[in-house]
Amino acid sequence: DVKVTQSSRYLVKRTGEKVFLECVQDMDHENMFWYRQDPGLGLRLIYFSYDVKMKEKGDIPEGYSVSREKKERFSLILESASTNQTSMYLCASSLGRSGYTFGSGTRLTVV
Amino acid sequence: DQQVKQNSPSLSVQEGRISILNCDYTNSMFDYFLWYKKYPAEGPTFLISISSIKDKNEDGRFTVFLNKSAKHLSLHIVPSQPGDSAVYFCAASSYAYSGAGSYQLTFGKGTKLSVIP
Repeated sequence: DVKVTQSSRYLVKRTGEKVFLECVQDMDHENMFWYRQDPGLGLRLIYFSYDVKMKEKGDIPEGYSVSREKKERFSLILESASTNQTSMYLCASSLGRSGYTFGSGTRLTVV
Repeated sequence: DQQVKQNSPSLSVQEGRISILNCDYTNSMFDYFLWYKKYPAEGPTFLISISSIKDKNEDGRFTVFLNKSAKHLSLHIVPSQPGDSAVYFCAASSYAYSGAGSYQLTFGKGTKLSVIP
């Protein structure tokens, strides 16, 4: 089974901090994605990547950046955390057009 | 502009009865549809999918129906069990998008299913 691992389940950060969320997948998937989930808003795509060093903006990229230096690792960076970035962050990977495999999520609270 | 809509935020069903979760889409280029299930504090897990060349796909207690002319799909769970209580997300993708866009899934906002024992 494909495993997608997110480095932290829960994080608490201060406003203005730079925050790194890490995601690693172990099945050589080409595509990786970062979503955030908020009540009443569903899953919203922040960024995705279809190859090493490649990245594409999703629907809500503002305030975020990403890094994909290796195929198995996709990092989400909050340049200067704000309280409106408090959310559940979900990483996913996929091979071609197959369905996604999601990680367990990181619950980020910005205070 | 929401391309995948799940108009019922929540649904309650008695154990043993049928649960029907609905999903509508507006983009006629969508050709592959999936349902995901999500428990609190966990990532979504894949449940069932359907290609636009089919109108029905079954997997055990779960059946997905696709009505292309109405741009509507539904997920039927029979019989419903308390362990089915979760948030269900409908998702869609399209071959028509170029390059990396074709790998992207567009999700609905989810329906919270509660199965009452």
